[in-house]
Amino acid sequence: QQPVQSPQAVILREGEDAVINCSSSKALYSVHWYRQKHGEAPVFLMILLKGGEQKGHEKISASFNEKKQQSSLYLTASQLSYSGTYFCGTSTIGGSNYKLTFGKGTLLTVNP
Amino acid sequence: NAGVTQTPKFQVLKTGQSMTLQCAQDMNHEYMSWYRQDPGMGLRLIHYSVGAGITDQGEVPNGYNVSRSTTEDFPLRLLSAAPSQTSVYFCASSYGGGLYQETQYFGPGTRLLVL
Repeated sequence: QQPVQSPQAVILREGEDAVINCSSSKALYSVHWYRQKHGEAPVFLMILLKGGEQKGHEKISASFNEKKQQSSLYLTASQLSYSGTYFCGTSTIGGSNYKLTFGKGTLLTVNP
Repeated sequence: NAGVTQTPKFQVLKTGQSMTLQCAQDMNHEYMSWYRQDPGMGLRLIHYSVGAGITDQGEVPNGYNVSRSTTEDFPLRLLSAAPSQTSVYFCASSYGGGLYQETQYFGPGTRLLVL
């Protein structure tokens, strides 16, 4: 079942923060985050595993709440380069090891 | 390394025509997959392969065939194109060992228009 992402779209000014959520109705084993710029391929950001710690890379970090079966992607002090569509992909406990199910995406626009 | 390559970049077909979308990777990845991306729908898995000679269906396999004769190549065949197959198609690969913990590398995509 497709994970649900929220919000569907967000508009920021440079320097502002944003949170993107990814929720599943099934128990998750892993959550993958990708960013896609218009007309380009998705690019990997990070993977969070069940029981794992919050991850981060510079000003982009993510957490995995096992109780809620939810992951959140945090973008702090946003830059123009952060604009794009963010997708989460999930694998479920008891599901295939080789299938990710992606959400519909969150369109992030960062304006000067 | 070229990474994941896809050809063609853009294709126009008439309803009923067949064609093959090519995908190749030079990273010696075991796992390869095909996704289609439609506006507002995210990425949906069509078919995937966990190694040469092994393929399986994803979420939306109808109307598509795949085969994996080598580690490097994973072509996607449209048997009889329909307007509903108008989409952007992405091929992806990863090292293997269970996708739950592996990074997927995506190709640049093929834009397909079926008239």
